[in-house]
Amino acid sequence: NAGVTQTPKFRILKIGQSMTLQCTQDMNHNYMYWYRQDPGMGLKLIYYSVGAGITDKGEVPNGYNVSRSTTEDFPLRLELAAPSQTSVYFCASSYMVGRNQPQHFGDGTRLSIL
Amino acid sequence: TQLLEQSPQFLSIQEGENLTVYCNSSSVFSSLQWYRQEPGEGPVLLVTVVTGGEVKKLKRLTFQFGDARKDSSLHITAAQPGDTGLYLCAGERGSTLGRLYFGRGTQLTVWP
Repeated sequence: NAGVTQTPKFRILKIGQSMTLQCTQDMNHNYMYWYRQDPGMGLKLIYYSVGAGITDKGEVPNGYNVSRSTTEDFPLRLELAAPSQTSVYFCASSYMVGRNQPQHFGDGTRLSIL
Repeated sequence: TQLLEQSPQFLSIQEGENLTVYCNSSSVFSSLQWYRQEPGEGPVLLVTVVTGGEVKKLKRLTFQFGDARKDSSLHITAAQPGDTGLYLCAGERGSTLGRLYFGRGTQLTVWP
């Protein structure tokens, strides 16, 4: 059972570089999410998607972009990386039938911007 | 501003002790979820509470949703080292279905 798969697991970037964090899920979930987790700050929603072709901003979208061309994939793009984007990034998915659906998380991408 | 306030932020106890973690808000939620996260992994759902006043038990863990659906608590009886981890509460609001608002988490360490 793969669930939600994130790649890479670790990455170091220089200031100003760009990269794409990959996320794929094999559960046929229609909702997908990107969060960042900073020490002592819980999880902050960056972007989310309710289905292929539909994305929306969360609490902290600045400096990031997303796309959702398929149900399975939801990549997160960092343009012009900044030290403030050093964080652990989690992708999650849920099956939106009714309320109270659990979110299933990947194991995260640990990103350092130097 | 944090929609859900969790306390305490850190908890360090001996094996066998009891503990309670609180999750409070001034907003009403349609449901509250509790997750547990271990180092190097993503959060994993423990329980969802949806009805005001609801109490759910998961072995030694007891979860309660406040009558007004603004707060929740997690009580662990006779804590064990295996309970060590980051506990996160997350609320879903009726106006934004599918979106969860997370608390900052409680880092629990249980010493043998």
